[in-house]
Amino acid sequence: IAGITQAPTSQILAAGRRMTLRCTQDMRHNAMYWYRQDLGLGLRLIHYSNTAGTTGKGEVPDGYSVSRANTDDFPLTLASAVPSQTSVYFCASSESPGAQETQYFGPGTRLLVL
Amino acid sequence: GQNIDQPTEMTATEGAIVQINCTYQTSGFNGLFWYQQHAGEAPTFLSYNVLDGLEEKGRFSSFLSRSKGYSYLLLKELQMKDSASYLCAVRDSNYQLIWGAGTKLIIKP
Repeated sequence: IAGITQAPTSQILAAGRRMTLRCTQDMRHNAMYWYRQDLGLGLRLIHYSNTAGTTGKGEVPDGYSVSRANTDDFPLTLASAVPSQTSVYFCASSESPGAQETQYFGPGTRLLVL
Repeated sequence: GQNIDQPTEMTATEGAIVQINCTYQTSGFNGLFWYQQHAGEAPTFLSYNVLDGLEEKGRFSSFLSRSKGYSYLLLKELQMKDSASYLCAVRDSNYQLIWGAGTKLIIKP
């Protein structure tokens, strides 16, 4: 069982380009999340999905979009990348969005926007 | 606004005990989590507290005081592999996790 996989592992991207970060989980979890992690800051929620077919905005959604066509996949798209989107991006999932549910994280994608 | 405060960095000696504190101010409270994150890796779950008191799990324990907006993670019998960042996160009234910036723990022989 792989858990959560993310692709690519790392990427260098020219500003203005479009980019999709992929996230797949095989745990049949209902809830999925995208975070960004920057030095000196806590993980910040970009978008989330409580169940397939629904999505919601987190703390820092501007410049990002997501879709949740099925249970397993939750891609994150940067429509037109800017240097401030340089970060480490983590996808996570939990069995449900409930209060005590533990979130499990993928290995991350390191993105550099030049 | 919502705020989670943790020390930026701590140093401890192998075999010793260390306490990492976390204070929080959030809109609502639905539980507090501690995660461990080794450099270049993903966060992994350590503990969950929703009621006041101490939760013990092997060498790691976590304490919560909701009235004080305070938690700590206690690590006993420190090992070199415990060198990592420790992240405190609170689930708020919208059931979203609000994360602290993390405490980098350095273990010295």
